Amino acid sequence: EPEVTQTPSHQVTQMGQEVILRCVPISNHLYFYWYRQILGQKVEFLVSFYNNEISEKSEIFDDQFSVERPDGSNFTLKIRSTKLEDSAMYFCASSERGPGWGYTFGSGTRLTVV
Amino acid sequence: QKEVEQNSGPLSVPEGAIASLNCTYSDRGSQSFFWYRQYSGKSPELIMFIYSNGDKEDGRFTAQLNKASQYVSLLIRDSQPSDSATYLCAVTPGGGNKLTFGTGTQLKVEL
Repeated sequence: EPEVTQTPSHQVTQMGQEVILRCVPISNHLYFYWYRQILGQKVEFLVSFYNNEISEKSEIFDDQFSVERPDGSNFTLKIRSTKLEDSAMYFCASSERGPGWGYTFGSGTRLTVV
Repeated sequence: QKEVEQNSGPLSVPEGAIASLNCTYSDRGSQSFFWYRQYSGKSPELIMFIYSNGDKEDGRFTAQLNKASQYVSLLIRDSQPSDSATYLCAVTPGGGNKLTFGTGTQLKVEL
């Protein structure tokens, strides 16, 4: 069964450093998303991406965050200057037909900011 | 007002029983409704989705939607210990490009 692949599985970084989280969506999917889940809390939407541009973003997704699809397979989330409160599990997801049809999540990257 | 509300549980049921999980949502324009299962430390896994009022069955799982009451539920028949997980309700707000999740209900299926 096709999978959404995320790397690394765990990233530890110092406060103020930049991190890039990487995702390879399912190959025929057109819609891409980033979500995060702080330990013990709900899954929160960050950003959706379609046709090489952001289609929606949440208030969490401020100027410190950016997304990019640098080639035909990768989808990245960059956090420019990490804060302690950015520590969370970050999930990439993709969908063939859009959010109304559900989507497949990757296994996640656990980001720890120290 | 919370957008998607779930009882956090834990909901404990004996093996073989029916587990009933409930969810309410605030946006009347919500169009699609999802149930995801999340094991501890893992990513959400789609169980099923429903668009229309009524019931939708898939194996041991039945999703029920009542748009007038803004209520969606998930029934798990013949519950197994492997069903022990957190069940996340999610909705697509009207016109939105995202899923909005509830906090999840922890289900424990006891031997």
